[in-house]
Amino acid sequence: AQSVAQPEDQVNVAEGNPLTVKCTYSVSGNPYLFWYVQYPNRGLQFLLKYITGDNLVKGSYGFEAEFNKSQTSFHLKKPSALVSDSALYFCAVRLLSGNTGKLIFGQGTTLQVKP
Amino acid sequence: NAGVMQNPRHLVRRRGQEARLRCSPMKGHSHVYWYRQLPEEGLKFMVYLQKENIIDESGMPKERFSAEFPKEGPSILRIQQVVRGDSAAYFCASSPPFRGPYNEQFFGPGTRLTVL
Repeated sequence: AQSVAQPEDQVNVAEGNPLTVKCTYSVSGNPYLFWYVQYPNRGLQFLLKYITGDNLVKGSYGFEAEFNKSQTSFHLKKPSALVSDSALYFCAVRLLSGNTGKLIFGQGTTLQVKP
Repeated sequence: NAGVMQNPRHLVRRRGQEARLRCSPMKGHSHVYWYRQLPEEGLKFMVYLQKENIIDESGMPKERFSAEFPKEGPSILRIQQVVRGDSAAYFCASSPPFRGPYNEQFFGPGTRLTVL
């Protein structure tokens, strides 16, 4: 079965420190991976995606993610966290079966950045 | 360019009533996806539609739920005879005409359904 796992319910970091939000996946075929962020009572905002090419993907708001095929991981990173980065983060994999492009989401990781 | 629009933002229904959720995709987008987010959970795919066609409804409950995306007007997610377990946030996403994996989906703000 194709799935996405985010092993941490919550990640706490101090402002200015680097942050990592973990994601592992299980898919058959090539993985197409996405990160989204959700602020309270809002919809999801796209951060970045990996389709092919360089394993290090750069996205919005200074975030980046590293695709690691051997470890089947796609961890989200940022060199220096901001308090405003505090939100709920979702990793997702896109399934390309037939003509569908639906996303399978992980359960989400709450990021808390403390001043 | 307006984003994905959903209305209402909040909907309260009593058990047994019907809920209608509307989604207007971004301009130029012909693909619509519906997802449900239960409390403390991630988003779960429900249905994928193109204009006048249901492409993938593998995530839809077998009963009471239906979706449409008519030639004119918004996409509608309809829940008949709602029960308390239907209380959730329902998100709509849209994307341009499908070109493989390259298109990210753009999400609306969601409709929060509360069933009393």
